[in-house]
Amino acid sequence: KAGVTQTPRYLIKTRGQQVTLSCSPISGHRSVSWYQQTPGQGLQFLFEYFSETQRNKGNFPGRFSGRQFSNSRSEMNVSTLELGDSALYLCASSLDSTFYGYTFGSGTRLTVV
Amino acid sequence: AQSVTQLDSQVPVFEEAPVELRCNYSSSVSVYLFWYVQYPNQGLQLLLKYLSGSTLVKGINGFEAEFNKSQTSFHLRKPSVHISDTAEYFCAVSDRKETSGSRLTFGEGTQLTVNP
Repeated sequence: KAGVTQTPRYLIKTRGQQVTLSCSPISGHRSVSWYQQTPGQGLQFLFEYFSETQRNKGNFPGRFSGRQFSNSRSEMNVSTLELGDSALYLCASSLDSTFYGYTFGSGTRLTVV
Repeated sequence: AQSVTQLDSQVPVFEEAPVELRCNYSSSVSVYLFWYVQYPNQGLQLLLKYLSGSTLVKGINGFEAEFNKSQTSFHLRKPSVHISDTAEYFCAVSDRKETSGSRLTFGEGTQLTVNP
């Protein structure tokens, strides 16, 4: 079956702009999580959506937001981009929770210049 | 809150040698434990997980890990590594509680380099 698909794979944006990243989970998976990976901070949890509701949230500023659609596809938005937002953004999906295991996508590499 | 410490940032080994990647965790609640691997320019792949039961967990690609509750450790081992095992390895924990059991807390990662 198809894995977790993230688009686009690479993105270059200018400071102050906003960006939207997309994630299509594995068919049947209702939980979608987002992580930020940087060399300095490592892997950090952004938020998780389950059946269109945000169920869990990490410690990121309000500039980072997300949503989930009825088909479980999810989008993540970052407004007023800063240089420090440059990172690999990973999406992961699961049937429900970590008990069932999360499958990760290949990520979107965002560069802010 | 949970935290994960991977004790070695880099582990170089020769091909066909055994390897152990060390992971300690801290948590005030019961947790699930995971090891993930990341190859260059790719996402994370689940190697194995400990949910309950036997403390020795076997995963993919010949890896296994042992959960030690008293030492709060979850070390990853492989008896004989291959060049293709070169990658970054992440230990992670999550809360067992249903409402918060969707967040993974990762360690800093261990770069395993297998030399010929």
